[in-house]
Amino acid sequence: QVQLVESGGGVVQPGRSLRLSCSASGFIFKTYDMVWVRQAPGKGLEWVASTRFDGSDDDYADSAKGRFTISRDNSRNTLFLQMNTLTVEDTAVYYCAREGVFHSMDVWGQGTTVIVSS
Amino acid sequence: EIVLTQFPGTLSFSPGERVTLSCRASQNIGTSYLAWYQQQPGQAPRLLIFGASNRATGIPDRFSGSGSGTDFTLTISRLEREDFAAYYCQHHGRSPTFGQGTKLEIK
Repeated sequence: QVQLVESGGGVVQPGRSLRLSCSASGFIFKTYDMVWVRQAPGKGLEWVASTRFDGSDDDYADSAKGRFTISRDNSRNTLFLQMNTLTVEDTAVYYCAREGVFHSMDVWGQGTTVIVSS
Repeated sequence: EIVLTQFPGTLSFSPGERVTLSCRASQNIGTSYLAWYQQQPGQAPRLLIFGASNRATGIPDRFSGSGSGTDFTLTISRLEREDFAAYYCQHHGRSPTFGQGTKLEIK
């Protein structure tokens, strides 16, 4: 079935880096735009970054610009989020999602938790 | 940047009732790029409505969306217990934005 599975979360100190992965299955990954969305504890949803189906173009929220990099490996059906210079404000559950019709997010992973703490 | 405002922040209703949730955009976004999501505690969001009024695959017909321009609504015609959750509207344009959410509670 159509599925997204995130991994790579954990506890990290402020200023350090972390790389999240999202493994896709059940659909033709290379034909879909993909996004990362996060949710801080007790808060709402925040879009983080998007990438085109072929990796040709990316877009970032202001909170992620200059620190985070979204990428994909279509040969491995995997999406990535490289997060550098992490701060406590980056503590959240990070979801990857597929963009479907009109770029709505029609498939979501279960999320991976990132905790930035000293 | 398009800002989406959802109101009210919390709603209290009983099973079987009809409820309408509201979402207002800071500028005209037409109809094509407004979505609604449901999120149960501890779970990932689920797409309910895209393009303002189109139900996603597998979504029951008690959920309906409407609106255009700056004002949008999500209506649940007869609340069932599994509908008590958080709901988010989203502008799904190039740089997506979410509303802050409405929590639907059991009265």
